[in-house]
Amino acid sequence: GAGVSQSPRYKVTKRGQDVALRCDPISGHVSLYWYRQALGQGPEFLTYFNYEAQQDKSGLPNDRFSAERPEGSISTLTIQRTEQRDSAMYRCASSPGLAGADTGELFFGEGSRLTVL
Amino acid sequence: AQKVTQAQTEISVVEKEDVTLDCVYETRDTTYYLFWYKQPPSGELVFLIRRNSFDEQNEISGRYSWNFQKSTSSFNFTITASQVVDSAVYFCALSELAYSGAGSYQLTFGKGTKLSVIP
Repeated sequence: GAGVSQSPRYKVTKRGQDVALRCDPISGHVSLYWYRQALGQGPEFLTYFNYEAQQDKSGLPNDRFSAERPEGSISTLTIQRTEQRDSAMYRCASSPGLAGADTGELFFGEGSRLTVL
Repeated sequence: AQKVTQAQTEISVVEKEDVTLDCVYETRDTTYYLFWYKQPPSGELVFLIRRNSFDEQNEISGRYSWNFQKSTSSFNFTITASQVVDSAVYFCALSELAYSGAGSYQLTFGKGTKLSVIP
């Protein structure tokens, strides 16, 4: 696609439910990142992939959060047993090459806004 | 640990004024990247610039300019002759190169500065 596409754009769920957020990166982009942005704050790194391999998940808050990118393209961020504190904008970004080997631009999607009641 | 501080929470200027957004960073690495992103009211994050820690040359792109001072760990952003369309939240970010087979953009963002340009 023309840009990074995320779905759903808005998700309202009840505490305790599981949610899955999808990211479709720009075609051919090698690296894919997940960030979380609370209201009034800057984005916070969660995890990233090079191709299908999850390189670092140190930013995931706890084991209720997981991410996958099985075929090296589309990625899913899953939050199990959601809590109110999980409410935030979840942003996906992709970059064309491996870091250090490209222009350095991360292309961000419009985000998925999650509200946990 | 790395940290980015944008001390200015909100700034208002009148159109055509110049404005500088401050960014101070902390890192133990000698090799790192610095970024600026713009988040307009529509919510997307727009990349503006990436600078390498080895390159302290200032950069100018149209009305935008960036002043990288390694001695003071600052990477300030100036908009000349501001316009209403410049109204947005601006984020400064830092990336230490974490090699796990390849580098990554694990950006640490500041809290952002909200710029309002009044017509």
